[in-house]
Amino acid sequence: AQKVTQAQTEISVVEKEDVTLDCVYETRDTTYYLFWYKQPPSGELVFLIRRNSFDEQNEISGRYSWNFQKSTSSFNFTITASQVVDSAVYFCALSEAAHGSSNTGKLIFGQGTTLQVKP
Amino acid sequence: SAVISQKPSRDICQRGTSLTIQCQVDSQVTMMFWYRQQPGQSLTLIATANQGSEATYESGFVIDKFPISRPNLTFSTLTVSNMSPEDSSIYLCSASNNEQFFGPGTRLTVL
Repeated sequence: AQKVTQAQTEISVVEKEDVTLDCVYETRDTTYYLFWYKQPPSGELVFLIRRNSFDEQNEISGRYSWNFQKSTSSFNFTITASQVVDSAVYFCALSEAAHGSSNTGKLIFGQGTTLQVKP
Repeated sequence: SAVISQKPSRDICQRGTSLTIQCQVDSQVTMMFWYRQQPGQSLTLIATANQGSEATYESGFVIDKFPISRPNLTFSTLTVSNMSPEDSSIYLCSASNNEQFFGPGTRLTVL
C-alpha cells in the first residue's frame, strides 16, 4: 500500500532561517510521482512541484529546493531564507501513474507540516 | 496549467439536506478527482470522476452518499447527500494531465 509520512507536525522558525520539511514515502510501484503543495491560511492548495520516480536530480526554484533520494524513499523540501509569507501548511503527496501513462493518478497525502515563520 | 473553479465557495446547510458542488476546468483534462479535507486534517480522496461512466470510490465512501457526475472532459459535480454535521469539511476537486491542480475548494458547514 502507498503511504506518505511527514513526521514534522509543526515547525517554527525566524525569518531568514533555512528550513527543511521532511517527506518519506512507501510504494511498490516502480513508476510513481511525488508532489509538494502549499496551503496558505486562505485555504487554496498551491502546486509547487511534481517529480517522477526516474528523475533523482535535485531541483531548485528560487528559494525552494527539493532533494529526492530513492535509496531512503525521501523527498525533502528546503526553503532558504524563509519569509513570513512562507507560513502555511505544506503537504507532500504520492501518486501512481494513471493507466500506465505519464498522467498522474489519485494522490495519497501526508498529514502535512505547519510552518510558521516569525518576523 | 489548468484553472479550476468551484461553486459554491462556501455554504451553510441544514442536517438532512443535500448540496451539489460544481467543478469547472478551463481546458480538457484526462482525470478529475474529488477530495475531502476535514478541519485540521489532510486531504482524503473520495472518488475518481470518470467521464461518461460511474465514479470510482475509495474505501469508506459510497455512491449513495456522494454521487458524482462527469458529463464531459471539463466538468464534474459532487453531491453530498443527507448531510450531517460530520460532513462539515472543505471539498476540493482536482484535475490532472501531468501536474495535478486543485480548485479553490468548497467550505461546507452542516448545522
